[in-house]
Amino acid sequence: AAGVIQSPRHLIKEKRETATLKCYPIPRHDTVYWYQQGPGQDPQFLISFYEKMQSDKGSIPDRFSAQQFSDYHSELNMSSLELGDSALYFCASSYRDSSGLYGYTFGSGTRLTVV
Amino acid sequence: DAKTTQPNSMESNEEEPVHLPCNHSTISGTDYIHWYRQLPSQGPEYVIHGLTSNVNNRMASLAIAEDRKSSTLILHRATLRDAAVYYCILKETSGSRLTFGEGTQLTVNP
Repeated sequence: AAGVIQSPRHLIKEKRETATLKCYPIPRHDTVYWYQQGPGQDPQFLISFYEKMQSDKGSIPDRFSAQQFSDYHSELNMSSLELGDSALYFCASSYRDSSGLYGYTFGSGTRLTVV
Repeated sequence: DAKTTQPNSMESNEEEPVHLPCNHSTISGTDYIHWYRQLPSQGPEYVIHGLTSNVNNRMASLAIAEDRKSSTLILHRATLRDAAVYYCILKETSGSRLTFGEGTQLTVNP
């Protein structure tokens, strides 16, 4: 079965540069989530989109922005990168089943290293 | 979201059952109990979820206390591939995000 696809798998950027991470959700999943996981930390929710509209916002820095496109893929744009932005960035997608529950599937992540 | 409390780490031997506890004394009536696990260098993976009744699937069983203030994830026969961080997460039916707390690092000894 198709999973959540994230690209690139690894990314190295210098301080103050910009980065764009991409996420391709499972077909027919209507919601995309972005999480950040620093070294030794638990995943932290950044932002989510439902049907291409922002549905929830977590601890996402103002330097970051995201959007979901008409084909449901999502991009996380990160500007003025700082050393502390080095982390694993996970994308997840979900669907709402008949009981209102959400099934979440996570991608393998993008490892961003800022040098 | 209501808070959960899990032990920082647990150890098990291969082929033996593992019981991973989770306390959630402030759980509300609309909160579902979700379990996810994260293997090294991978994204979190859904394990199981439930509301009031015990649940079984091919990966694990979920035992929920009658008062719903605690639950236990049961791996019936641990394998080396089950070594991971296990997260117990409460989520409202209408809620969207999953909020990860401090999970349990499970070590499986051969």
